[in-house]
Amino acid sequence: SQTIHQWPATLVQPVGSPLSLECTVEGTSNPNLYWYRQAAGRGLQLLFYSVGIGQISSEVPQNLSASRPQDRQFILSSKKLLLSDSGFYLCAWGGPGAETQYFGPGTRLLVL
Amino acid sequence: GQQVMQIPQYQHVQEGEDFTTYCNSSTTLSNIQWYKQRPGGHPVFLIQLVKSGEVKKQKRLTFQFGEAKKNSSLHITATQTTDVGTYFCAGTGTASKLTFGTGTRLQVTL
Repeated sequence: SQTIHQWPATLVQPVGSPLSLECTVEGTSNPNLYWYRQAAGRGLQLLFYSVGIGQISSEVPQNLSASRPQDRQFILSSKKLLLSDSGFYLCAWGGPGAETQYFGPGTRLLVL
Repeated sequence: GQQVMQIPQYQHVQEGEDFTTYCNSSTTLSNIQWYKQRPGGHPVFLIQLVKSGEVKKQKRLTFQFGEAKKNSSLHITATQTTDVGTYFCAGTGTASKLTFGTGTRLQVTL
């Protein structure tokens, strides 16, 4: 069966520090991968999605970037965090097209 | 671009009361999905509807896809405290992209 992992589970970072969040998927090949951000009590904001290795589509311009160095690995990065980057970051995988998405446990990021 | 709105944003009910959340898309959808996110958790897929006018049931939950395939609803009969959470619809539009709705947060008290 497929599983999706995210780490770390929680993170407290100072403003201006770098960020690297990792997401890995097991049990499937060539998944579509997604990064979402959710502010407290709010909806899901799609940040990036990838349909294959090295292929990244950005939905919202910001100081974040994403990379997909391997088929089942998706990384979210920032060179300098802003206060507004605080939130709950969710990674998800799905099949080809707009099929069901399966979410990882998420990373809670607090930027101080 | 495609927009998917849900109403209400928040609803507080007494246990045993019914609850309905409505999902409306700015464009025609090829399918609609529903997800539930428990407090502190991540969204979990509940169901997918594909056909115009389709109705599906999961125990006390009834999902409906509108005839014009631009709206959907989730109805919970006799809510329980385990129903607490945020319910998201997500629709696939012409760009074959899944767009999540704004979500409805349900609070149930005894």
